[in-house]
Amino acid sequence: DTAVSQTPKYLVTQMGNDKSIKCEQNLGHDTMYWYKQDSKKFLKIMFSYNNKELIINETVPNRFSPKSPDKAHLNLHINSLELGDSAVYFCASSQGRLAGYEQYFGPGTRLTVT
Amino acid sequence: AQTVTQSQPEMSVQEAETVTLSCTYDTSESDYYLFWYKQPPSRQMILVIRQEAYKQQNATENRFSVNFQKAAKSFSLKISDSQLGDAAMYFCAYRGRYNNNDMRFGAGTRLTVKP
Repeated sequence: DTAVSQTPKYLVTQMGNDKSIKCEQNLGHDTMYWYKQDSKKFLKIMFSYNNKELIINETVPNRFSPKSPDKAHLNLHINSLELGDSAVYFCASSQGRLAGYEQYFGPGTRLTVT
Repeated sequence: AQTVTQSQPEMSVQEAETVTLSCTYDTSESDYYLFWYKQPPSRQMILVIRQEAYKQQNATENRFSVNFQKAAKSFSLKISDSQLGDAAMYFCAYRGRYNNNDMRFGAGTRLTVKP
């Protein structure tokens, strides 16, 4: 069974569109994250979500919004897509927010904005 | 802010030999965790090894070990008896223990394993 899953794995869309990426974890974890990996492979935290507490990286545009219908899901909504949003987006989860907990990553979603 | 630097964009090693990947970090915190993650071509990020800063003993996981030098803020990864399956991007990461800490990653090192 996949621990952290994301759908879709590939997403191609046009500028200005609104899209969502879904993430689900079946590990019973309390904390979930979204990361962005750019074309140079640089990986950067976007959000972390724990017990309804959302922590946002200040560099993330407000066009990006995470939504958590329940503890096992953290979806990423992106409005008014821009060329610069093209990247691989990773969802991850951990048992809690403590620093020592391993983060389990999903397979990534490659978003291409044309 | 904490920064993580991987000064080797690419490394290569002969199968069965040993390779060391470098990582340095900058922080004012005294208590933190350091990680090495592996990202093969499949894109899946996999934890390789973890080190707690307050532990002086270097972490080891089978063929993977680290050389953690806290004073020098250095955290290198040694891969012994390299295998073809070790070929991947390797990311060093830092996470402070407190203060709504985020995981911060280095830019990565692409490791090639030659048969």
